[in-house]
Parts: sequence; structure tokens; C-alpha cells
Amino acid sequence: DTAVSQTPKYLVTQMGNDKSIKCEQNLGHDTMYWYKQDSKKFLKIMFSYNNKELIINETVPNRFSPKSPDKAHLNLHINSLELGDSAVYFCASSQAGGVGELFFGEGSRLTVL
Amino acid sequence: GENVEQHPSTLSVQEGDSAVIKCTYSDSASNYFPWYKQELGKRPQLIIDIRSNVGEKKDQRIAVTLNKTAKHFSLHITETQPEDSAVYFCAASNNNNDMRFGAGTRLTVKP
Repeated sequence: DTAVSQTPKYLVTQMGNDKSIKCEQNLGHDTMYWYKQDSKKFLKIMFSYNNKELIINETVPNRFSPKSPDKAHLNLHINSLELGDSAVYFCASSQAGGVGELFFGEGSRLTVL
Repeated sequence: GENVEQHPSTLSVQEGDSAVIKCTYSDSASNYFPWYKQELGKRPQLIIDIRSNVGEKKDQRIAVTLNKTAKHFSLHITETQPEDSAVYFCAASNNNNDMRFGAGTRLTVKP
């Protein structure tokens, strides 16, 4: 059983389009995250949610809108895609507080043409 | 917010040698310091972690040390093997659902 699963794994789209990435965890964790990993491999936190409540919103453009329908799901919707949005987006989950292991999904590679 | 700096950005060692990666953090409230290994095309995975009430932790060939006063922590890998080649990330967190990562170190172990 996959602990943290995200879909799609690959996404190729044109500038200006809107796309979504879905994430689900079956670990019973309260906290979920979105990280962006650019071509230089830097893992930058975008959002964290604790039990459906937004905790961290790290100066991400408002074209990015996370949605957590329940504590097991955290989706990411991106409007008006730009070239600079091309990256690998990782979903992760942890026990509440974030002071335990982060379990990452496989990543979703977004390419904006 | 927390700021984590990591050095070196690249590290090349001969098989069997030791490798050391160092990180510093800025927030004195941080109390959890994990290390992740990311192989090419894969997700980051935890290899070892340390909490602020401990100064050192060891797991076979890997060890971490923490100096809370100086706000720095290090990863030590002994008897390196080619399969240790990967990107390693340090991170820091306190009880605020906010895990910050260093910029990563690309370790290459030459056979």
C-alpha cells in the first residue's frame, strides 16, 4: 500500500493553462505539505495543513490554491501557469506538529511550455 | 521563519572514505533535525534524525551530531559505498508544522 500517493506523476501543459495535482495519504497523519523542487534540487515549502486548516503559506503566488477536503487529502490547483512553475511538486505528510518523519509522495513533474 | 544553510553543495569522495555534511539553522526554537537522502528521480527519504535533547545519534555507518548552542548539526557517513551517492538534505523544524530544508549536498562516491 502506497503511504502518500499523488497524481499525476507527469504533467505537460501550455502557459496560461490551469492544472491540478492531487495527494492522498493513508497514514492517519494530521499534517500535510506541498513542496516545490526546482532544477537546482532545492526543496522549498509552499503550504502546510494541519487537520484541514492552513498553517503555512510561504509567499506563494495566489495562482496556487491548496484545498484540503479532509485530513487525508491535500490538492494543489494552479491557475495561469507560467514557465517558472516548471518543477517537481512533492506532497508529504507527518504527524501533527511536523516534528516527526515526513513521508513524501513520488512527486509530480510539471513542465510548462 | 527558520533558515537552514547546508555545506558543501557538492562532495566527492573515494569509496571507503568518510563524508561529512554540515548545516546551520537560525531559529533557536527548532527542536527536530532530520536528514533525507534523495536518489536520482526518487522521493526524499529519511535516513536519520536527531532531537534537541540529544547531542549525537548513530545508526550503523551514519551518525548525526547536534550543537544547540552553536545552532549547527552534521551528518557523518563512514566507509562510503557507491550506493551512498545521492543528494542529501538536512532540515529543521519545531512544533509548528513547518519543516525547512537546506539546499542539499550532492555526494558522489567513486569506486
